[in-house]
Amino acid sequence: AQKITQTQPGMFVQEKEAVTLDCTYDTSDPSYGLFWYKQPSSGEMIFLIYQGSYDQQNATEGRYSLNFQKARKSANLVISASQLGDSAMYFCAMRWENTGFQKLVFGTGTRLLVSP
Amino acid sequence: EPEVTQTPSHQVTQMGQEVILRCVPISNHLYFYWYRQILGQKVEFLVSFYNNEISEKSEIFDDQFSVERPDGSNFTLKIRSTKLEDSAMYFCASSPGTSGRARGDEQFFGPGTRLTVL
Repeated sequence: AQKITQTQPGMFVQEKEAVTLDCTYDTSDPSYGLFWYKQPSSGEMIFLIYQGSYDQQNATEGRYSLNFQKARKSANLVISASQLGDSAMYFCAMRWENTGFQKLVFGTGTRLLVSP
Repeated sequence: EPEVTQTPSHQVTQMGQEVILRCVPISNHLYFYWYRQILGQKVEFLVSFYNNEISEKSEIFDDQFSVERPDGSNFTLKIRSTKLEDSAMYFCASSPGTSGRARGDEQFFGPGTRLTVL
């Protein structure tokens, strides 16, 4: 069964420090995609970064990078140089080929608090 | 920048009433979705819609739910007889569906409609 696990309910980091948010997944499908979304207190879902299962390199988008370890089935989000505006809920999500790459399955999320 | 819009932002209804949540996906997107998020919980998939029909639905999406694309721009979610447990944030999303199955066909989310059932 396909499953996404985020084991950190909350994380604290000081401004300008880097932080890693964990995400592990379980699937037998060789073709899948992994996503990270940010949900600030206002509630909207903001796409951050994507990693495909066949991508050779780890994805990067500005201050966000994805530490993709396929053998370990992990796709951790690294935020470098944290800013106060990074305080939010962060969701890891996945979709896979045997459902036609349609639905996203989300983890339970990690609440990140960035302190001055 | 194009975005998904949803109306209303907040809907309060009485148990047993019908509600219609409205979404305008990004134009030229081909796939449309509804998700819901009960307060404090994870986001859950409800239904996906492509080529004017449901392509996949979750077990949450029972006979009380329906979706429609009544014209070329709107995408609606109807709940026929609301229950207390339907109280949640409902997100509409759309994706281009053109980048290939193995690519990052990003789903763009709307701001959500908070549904409160009393």
